Amino acid sequence: AQSVTQPDIHITVSEGASLELRCNYSYGATPYLFWYVQSPGQGLQLLLKYFSGDTLVQGIKGFEAEFKRSQSSFNLRKPSVHWSDAAEYFCAVGTGTASKLTFGTGTRLQVTL
Amino acid sequence: GAGVSQTPSNKVTEKGKYVELRCDPISGHTALYWYRQSLGQGPEFLIYFQGTGAADDSGLPNDRFFAVRPEGSVSTLKIQRTERGDSAVYLCASSPQGASNTEAFFGQGTRLTVV
Repeated sequence: AQSVTQPDIHITVSEGASLELRCNYSYGATPYLFWYVQSPGQGLQLLLKYFSGDTLVQGIKGFEAEFKRSQSSFNLRKPSVHWSDAAEYFCAVGTGTASKLTFGTGTRLQVTL
Repeated sequence: GAGVSQTPSNKVTEKGKYVELRCDPISGHTALYWYRQSLGQGPEFLIYFQGTGAADDSGLPNDRFFAVRPEGSVSTLKIQRTERGDSAVYLCASSPQGASNTEAFFGQGTRLTVV
């Protein structure tokens, strides 16, 4: 069965600093990969997705992620974090013909001013 | 509608009671999903509908949980004999079709508290 690991439970960065959130997945075939963001009291919002093609994916709000098959990773990056980026970030993998998603446990991002 | 709508947004119920949670998907979306998010965890898959039928209910934890989508649009998640461990945020999502390479749009969830 597929699984997703987000090793960092909580990350704190200063506003303006760069950010990288780690995600590793376990799946036998090529996965469909997603990053979602969840703000308090809000639903999940899709930041970006990888299905195929270019392994560097651009998303909304200045985020990007790189699919590295050899490392089974799909890390999320942002060059300069804004205070409004403080939220919970979830990596997810979709498999098969149904878009049933398997999520990681999330990384809570705190941004200091 | 403009997005996935879930009602109620909050539900407090007593242990042993029956509850129904409603999901209105985006108009025209044939695929609908229910997830459960416990405190400090990521969402966990419960059930997936393609049209009116449950194509995958492998995530339902036990027979107290049941979901329907009789007309292929609105879905209701039903929980019988609620237990304190059922307390969680229940998320609904819909997508244009049930394929992994289509984006699923999530509602804001129903926070269920069993006291």
